[in-house]
Amino acid sequence: AQKVTQAQTEISVVEKEDVTLDCVYETRDTTYYLFWYKQPPSGELVFLIRRNSFDEQNEISGRYSWNFQKSTSSFNFTITASQVVDSAVYFCALILTGGGNKLTFGTGTQLKVEL
Amino acid sequence: GAGVSQSPSNKVTEKGKDVELRCDPISGHTALYWYRQRLGQGLEFLIYFQGNSAPDKSGLPSDRFSAERTGESVSTLTIQRTQQEDSAVYLCASSLDWLEVDEAFFGQGTRLTVV
Repeated sequence: AQKVTQAQTEISVVEKEDVTLDCVYETRDTTYYLFWYKQPPSGELVFLIRRNSFDEQNEISGRYSWNFQKSTSSFNFTITASQVVDSAVYFCALILTGGGNKLTFGTGTQLKVEL
Repeated sequence: GAGVSQSPSNKVTEKGKDVELRCDPISGHTALYWYRQRLGQGLEFLIYFQGNSAPDKSGLPSDRFSAERTGESVSTLTIQRTQQEDSAVYLCASSLDWLEVDEAFFGQGTRLTVV
C-alpha cells in the first residue's frame, strides 16, 4: 500500500524567510500523481499543484516551488519570502493512476509565519 | 453555488445517536468523495461516487458508516450509533469526473464532536 510521510509536524518562521516542507512517499507503482494542498484556518483544502510520476521537472509558481526527485521518493515544497498569509496546514498526497481515486494524504505540516 | 457546500458546519452529538452529514457538490461534477480528518492527522478516504456507477466504499471504517448519493446531486454520510472515536472533521470534495483529480474542490467540512 502507498504511504505519504510529512515528518515536520510544525514549522515556525519569521516573515520573509524561505521555508521548505518535506514530503516522502512510498509506492510500488510506477505511475502515480503527487499533490500539495493548503488548508487555511477556514478548513477547506486548496489545490496547489499536481505532478505525475513521469515528469521530474521542478516547477515554480510565484513564491512557490516544488522539487520532485524520484530517486529519493521526495516531493518537497518551498515557499520563498514567506508571508503571514502562508500560515496554514500543508498536505502532500499521492494517488495511483490505476487505483481508483483514493488520495493518500500525509499527516500535514502546520506552517506558522510570524511578523 | 460556487463551491462545495457542507452542512452542518458543526455538530455535537451524544454517544449512541445517529448523525447525518450533507454535501452539495459543485453543479455538473460527477465525482464526489468523502474524507475524514482526525485531529492532527491526514485525511482518510471514506467513500467515492462516480456518476451512476457503484460507489467505492472501501474506506468506510465500519458498518455504522453509510453514504448515499442520488445521481450527480447531494450526498449524505450517515453515522449510526456514534462513538467518541468518530469525532473528526468530515470533508467532502467533488470533481468533474474521476480523471480530473487535480480539480477536486473541497468543502469546508463538518466538525463532528461525539460527547
